[in-house]
Amino acid sequence: NAGVTQTPKFRILKIGQSMTLQCAQDMNHNYMYWYRQDPGMGLKLIYYSVGAGITDKGEVPNGYNVSRSTTEDFPLRLELAAPSQTSVYFCASSYGGSTQYFGPGTRLLVL
Amino acid sequence: AQRVTQPEKLLSVFKGAPVELKCNYSYSGSPELFWYVQYSRQRLQLLLRHISRESIKGFTADLNKGETSFHLKKPFAQEEDSAMYYCALSEGGANNLFFGTGTRLTVIP
Repeated sequence: NAGVTQTPKFRILKIGQSMTLQCAQDMNHNYMYWYRQDPGMGLKLIYYSVGAGITDKGEVPNGYNVSRSTTEDFPLRLELAAPSQTSVYFCASSYGGSTQYFGPGTRLLVL
Repeated sequence: AQRVTQPEKLLSVFKGAPVELKCNYSYSGSPELFWYVQYSRQRLQLLLRHISRESIKGFTADLNKGETSFHLKKPFAQEEDSAMYYCALSEGGANNLFFGTGTRLTVIP
């Protein structure tokens, strides 16, 4: 099993551009999560999903959108990128809300 | 509101010395507490959770509701324990986690 995979590993965006961060898991987990981690800070929840077709906001959802059309995939969409969205983004998954398994992260720089 | 506080950003101990990483939380209900660890060039992974009451890699953590703490302890630190440690809290439900800012532990040979 690959576990939780994220693409890309690193990306530079210009202000106002859009992009989608990809996340996939092959563990048949129903719960998936997106976190961001700013320098020197802990991870903060952006959005989460408890199953295909169901998503909900976390602590810091502004500027992001998600979708969950399949159990495996949970893409995070950034519209109109801003410098404040410069961060490391982590995707995670769990079965029934238990132990979360994390991806390797995507480092995003908005200039 | 800051739910999880880790007061030490950096902690250095000598190999073989005891180590304690502090974690305090604020939550009025019955939280579930976790310690996650990130070793160099590896992804974040669960170290232990309080409901399991188990010892992982020699680490233990006891939930103290009176002091609202969940400190991580190990009696004899090893070099391979050097890593970034995050305390996290879940309020239940979908188990959304609230993380502390992390403590970087360095074990000096």
